[in-house]
Amino acid sequence: DIVMTQSPDSLAVSLGERATINCKSSQSVLYGSNKKNYLAWYQQKPGQPPKLLIFWASTRQSGVPDRFSGSGSGTDFTLTISSLQAEDVAVYYCQQYYTTPPTFGQGTQLEIK
Amino acid sequence: QVHLQESGPGLLKPSETLSLTCTVSGDSLSRSTYFWAWIRQSPGKGLEWIASIYYRGNTYYNPSLKSRVTISIDTPKNQFSLTLSSVTAADTAVYYCARCDYGDSYYFDYWGQGALITVSS
Repeated sequence: DIVMTQSPDSLAVSLGERATINCKSSQSVLYGSNKKNYLAWYQQKPGQPPKLLIFWASTRQSGVPDRFSGSGSGTDFTLTISSLQAEDVAVYYCQQYYTTPPTFGQGTQLEIK
Repeated sequence: QVHLQESGPGLLKPSETLSLTCTVSGDSLSRSTYFWAWIRQSPGKGLEWIASIYYRGNTYYNPSLKSRVTISIDTPKNQFSLTLSSVTAADTAVYYCARCDYGDSYYFDYWGQGALITVSS
């Protein structure tokens, strides 16, 4: 299985500031023939299921605010929230879908400083 | 709007069999463009994909659970189900049903609210 490792485990950022969450895969999730990275990001708030934010490493899901962006390729990826809002407090997960079984990172708890 | 809703027993004893059903509204399980999946979340193991099924009955399982898991689909009822045999305390988790694209887009765009399953004697 591909192991997904996120850093940091928790993060406190001031309102309006940038938040950056990292995700590293144990092997590349870049498919050579189509140049796509098989990587998604989710947001989970307490008592709710995960919500899809980004897929193909950098494509925002419909309705997701543009302050959320994804970047990276191969084995190293980043989720950036450009200007943190109070409603962004949540746990964030990355997920690879390059191989079966699809696997998730352990999560990063994002809080307000 | 697609809506998924899990239903299940809540509490099980060790060695029993867990049965969960996901009822889907706003979409047809017979559409050829999606897989339907079960994912669980526990404090110890985080998010773990369990299994997926296509409307034609093609099934895909996590090797770590394959010997104990069966996923099935009932397209007339627009439901799909999961059974997990010989449960232990390690199977205590919130179980989600979810949808993902057919093909190689194996990310999950719609999720149910989750069903908390506790295994305890």
